Amino acid sequence: DARVTQTPRHKVTEMGQEVTMRCQPILGHNTVFWYRQTMMQGLELLAYFRNRAPLDDSGMPKDRFSAEMPDATLATLKIQPSEPRDSAVYFCASGLVRREGTGELFFGEGSRLTVL
Amino acid sequence: AQSVTQLDSHVSVSEGTPVLLRCNYSSSYSPSLFWYVQHPNKGLQLLLKYTSAATLVKGINGFEAEFKKSETSFHLTKPSAHMSDAAEYFCVVSRNNAGNMLTFGGGTRLMVKP
Repeated sequence: DARVTQTPRHKVTEMGQEVTMRCQPILGHNTVFWYRQTMMQGLELLAYFRNRAPLDDSGMPKDRFSAEMPDATLATLKIQPSEPRDSAVYFCASGLVRREGTGELFFGEGSRLTVL
Repeated sequence: AQSVTQLDSHVSVSEGTPVLLRCNYSSSYSPSLFWYVQHPNKGLQLLLKYTSAATLVKGINGFEAEFKKSETSFHLTKPSAHMSDAAEYFCVVSRNNAGNMLTFGGGTRLMVKP
């Protein structure tokens, strides 16, 4: 049963610390998304990769956030330094975008980040 | 530009009664439309999708949605609510052929009373 795997599921850290979240997309998918979910803002797109190339990271605070795909099986989202306002659930999703349109996105179960 | 409005942030129904979750969209392009469900502490799961084929779309768990272009709506319905349907539901619009142009609605929390 193919699924998107995210680690860690929960992370509590102190302000100023570096946080790295990892995502293993479904094998064969050509797109990977990072979303952030908060009560106030709902779901926000942070970054988007197609075929491992970053296509859109306009939703990401550039000074502290970075997203990479070192290989097809791993996507990372790093926050350095972390701040309390970064507390949220971070979702990774993968999918297969074909010429005829966007197919289904498969979401991981999220990484719940708490920055004290 | 595209946007999605979910008209109700909370909906409460009794078990066994019909469910209606409302969604209106705007899009400059021919859109694809999706409904996703999120159970507590879980990721989002696709319920159904419309991609310019039949306007009445059937999904999992007895849900269905009807695409009405004249009303720019894509409301989600179910004839009879089950306790396990209690969750958050998201309406999503996608610009065709552009996987990054996904716009999420604000979500509707469905509560089901026994």
